[in-house]
Parts: sequence; C-alpha cells; structure tokens
Amino acid sequence: GENVEQHPSTLSVQEGDSAVIKCTYSDSASNYFPWYKQELGKGPQLIIDIRSNVGEKKDQRIAVTLNKTAKHFSLHITETQPEDSAVYFCAASSGGGADGLTFGKGTHLIIQP
Amino acid sequence: DTAVSQTPKYLVTQMGNDKSIKCEQNLGHDTMYWYKQDSKKFLKIMFSYNNKELIINETVPNRFSPKSPDKAHLNLHINSLELGDSAVYFCASSPTSGSLGEQFFGPGTRLTVL
Repeated sequence: GENVEQHPSTLSVQEGDSAVIKCTYSDSASNYFPWYKQELGKGPQLIIDIRSNVGEKKDQRIAVTLNKTAKHFSLHITETQPEDSAVYFCAASSGGGADGLTFGKGTHLIIQP
Repeated sequence: DTAVSQTPKYLVTQMGNDKSIKCEQNLGHDTMYWYKQDSKKFLKIMFSYNNKELIINETVPNRFSPKSPDKAHLNLHINSLELGDSAVYFCASSPTSGSLGEQFFGPGTRLTVL
C-alpha cells in the first residue's frame, strides 16, 4: 500500500516569512495529492491539491510542487500570517473517487509574531 | 450551510458499551468515508462507502460497522468499546465519476472510552 512521509513535524517561522513542508510517497500509481489544514478542534480543510499531470499549482499565497520522478511534493506558503498557524497534512491517493487518502503525519506550523 | 455534519461532537462512555456516530452530507456526493485520528494526530482511513456498498475496509476490527441508510448518510456503529478506541473520528465525502478525489471532512467526533 501507499506510504506517505512528511517533514518537518514542527515548523516555526517569523510572520511574513515563507514556510515549506515536504512529503514523499511510495506508490507510483498515486496521482492525486491534496493538502489539508486542520485547526484546533476542527476537521481537516482542503487548501490546495495537485494531480500528477501538473508540476506546480498556485493559489494566492499557497503553492504546491510535484516531482513525480522523485515522488516528492511540497507545500509553500509565502508571506505567512498568524492565521496560518495550524497542523498541515499532505496526502496521496490514486485519485479515484472511491479511494481513501493516505495521510502524512502532519506538520505543526507556528507563526511567530 | 454545513456540508458534512457529524453527531455527537463529544462522546464519553464506558468500556464494553455499544455506541453510534452519525454522519450526513448535503453535497450530493456518492462516496463517504470514516477516518480515525489518534492522539498523535495521525489520520487513517477506516471505511469508504460508494453507492451503499462497502469498498474499503482497512483491517478495522469487526466491532466497527458502517451503516448507510441512504446516499447522504454513513453512520458508524462500535460494539464492545475498548480503551484503544478513544480517538477523534472524522466522516468525509467525495463525488465519484470524474472526481478529482477531493474529500470534504466533517468536524469530527471525539470519543473517550473510560
């Protein structure tokens, strides 16, 4: 089955700086890679996703890059703000609607004022 | 309007009891899921239901049984609760047939077994 590794487990950055979270996956059949943000006491919220036929996707301050050859994908957050503080999860699946997601173990992002 | 809702939000019970968690989605999605998040925040798939058929069961003990009365609901029944069942349980849903695989999660149910 799929295995997703995520690093770092905790990331502390100054407000206004950039944050980068990295993930690797093991199953070459995986073709859908979402990122979720989870705030305290809430469910995971989809913030951006990418499919394997695309190398990069951007949505305002958030971008995701995918290196299918190396089986790496990364989340980039620029101009970080206090409200970006949360736990971020990467995930992978084969993309079919019936497939569950395999999650990384999460990154606790702390934005220092 | 809430897209994926779960009840209850908190559930505290004794070992050995039987309990249920309810989930409803108003997105018109065909597939629903249950995930378990342990104390270390690790999220793991338990079940998925597509058009009322179970299509994934990730080695979950048979004390756990999903029940889907209709396409908009997927309830989770747990028999003979154990201490290790304490966790946050999330329901999710996604469209099928041409889907991008996007899954939308509910707010979670925190289960505490004493």
